[in-house]
Amino acid sequence: EIVLTQSPGTLSLSPGERATLSCRASQSVSSSYLAWYQQKPGQAPRLLIYGASNRATGIPDRFGGSGSGTDFTLTISRLEPEDFAVYYCQQYGRSPWTFGQGTKVDIK
Amino acid sequence: QIQLIQSGAEVKKPGASVKVSCRFSGYTLTELSIHWVRQAPGKRLEWMAGFEREDGEIIYAPKFQGRVTMTDDTSTNTAYMELRSLRSEDTAIYYCTTGLDYWGQGTLVTVSS
Repeated sequence: EIVLTQSPGTLSLSPGERATLSCRASQSVSSSYLAWYQQKPGQAPRLLIYGASNRATGIPDRFGGSGSGTDFTLTISRLEPEDFAVYYCQQYGRSPWTFGQGTKVDIK
Repeated sequence: QIQLIQSGAEVKKPGASVKVSCRFSGYTLTELSIHWVRQAPGKRLEWMAGFEREDGEIIYAPKFQGRVTMTDDTSTNTAYMELRSLRSEDTAIYYCTTGLDYWGQGTLVTVSS
């Protein structure tokens, strides 16, 4: 199975700062079938990005995804108070679908 | 707008089975893909099984093969996930999802003697 490793584990930033989250795959992710989710305590994951770089419906343009092959990045250009959460990457190109271990973005 | 409404929390003893339901509204089940994902306390999300409408077959994650079954009832627009031979490590929140974008609210399953 494809193992996804996210870094860093925790990112401590202030509102208005830029966040850069990394997701590295153990094998190439086919057709860039890579998604990013945001999860807040007690809530289901919320899709942010699919196909590595496509924003899901209703997602603000401060969220951006990039990358291909084995290296992917989620960028939040200017953190808003509601963006402090845990972020997961997921590959859905090969079964079993797998998730990264998450990056927590917390308030500095 | 698609909504996925899951059944309530369950407490089970080791060795028992649990069946979680997921009722769809806003779309008929026959038009959608369905996947099941779980999250143990403090752990990453874990994909268990899925049915992609385009492919027409259910795929189970090797870790759960033989212990999990996906079914559905199109008359009630409800999908089900049954997990058997429960152990303490199966304590988790179980989610149904259309694959990426629509998720149920989650069902907490606690396995404890």
